[in-house]
Amino acid sequence: RKEVEQDPGPFNVPEGATVAFNCTYSNSASQSFFWYRQDCRKEPKLLMSVYSSGNEDGRFTAQLNRASQYISLLIRDSKLSDSATYLCAVNRGDYKLSFGAGTTVTVRA
Amino acid sequence: EAQVTQNPRYLITVTGKKLTVTCSQNMNHEYMSWYRQDPGLGLRQIYYSMNVEVTDKGDVPEGYKVSRKEKRNFPLILESPSPNQTSLYFCASSFPDGHRTGELFFGEGSRLTVL
Repeated sequence: RKEVEQDPGPFNVPEGATVAFNCTYSNSASQSFFWYRQDCRKEPKLLMSVYSSGNEDGRFTAQLNRASQYISLLIRDSKLSDSATYLCAVNRGDYKLSFGAGTTVTVRA
Repeated sequence: EAQVTQNPRYLITVTGKKLTVTCSQNMNHEYMSWYRQDPGLGLRQIYYSMNVEVTDKGDVPEGYKVSRKEKRNFPLILESPSPNQTSLYFCASSFPDGHRTGELFFGEGSRLTVL
C-alpha cells in the first residue's frame, strides 16, 4: 500500500462550483500535512499546511480526519486559475516527506 | 528574492556519463532535499540534508549521491546515469523545525533524459 494515496481525477468542474477531494495516508504516526499546487510540470508550491484538525485560507479549506487517516481539500467558488494538480504531502515525523501522485482539477468556463 | 536555483534545467545525456545537478538556496534554510517526479508515482524523495555535512537517504537513493559542504548548496550527483533515471528532478529547502520541515520551497526543476 502506498504511504499517501490520492484520487488522480480529473475533476472537471464549472466556474463557481465547489470541488473537494481526499488524500489518505497509511502511517498513523504522521505529524503534519500539506497541500501543494503544481501547474503543468512546474515546481510545486505550498498551498496550505494542516497541523491540527484543519485550516482555511480564503476559498480553500483543508480538514484532517486522524481516525480515518485522510485529509481533504475543498475549493469553493472555483476559478479558472484553480486548474492545476494538487499534491498531498505527509510529514512522517522523521524529516521525510511523502507525497501523493496528485489530483488534477480542471475548471471550465 | 527568495529562491531555490537548479542547474541545468534541461539535460540529455548518455548512459554512464557522470553528471551533477546543482541546487542553491538563498533563504538560509538548514533542510534541503532532492525529489524525482515520474508520471503516476508522484514525488519521491532521493536524499535529504538536515544541515552542513549531514545527509541521509530518502526512499529512492540508489544510483545517486549528494554532498552538503555549504549550507546554501546541495548538489545531486549521478555517477553512472542509466535510462531509468530519466525523470524530472526537484530540489527543495525549508527550516527543519518539526512541522515546518514540510513547508518546502522548490526549485524550478531539472528535466533529465538518459539515453
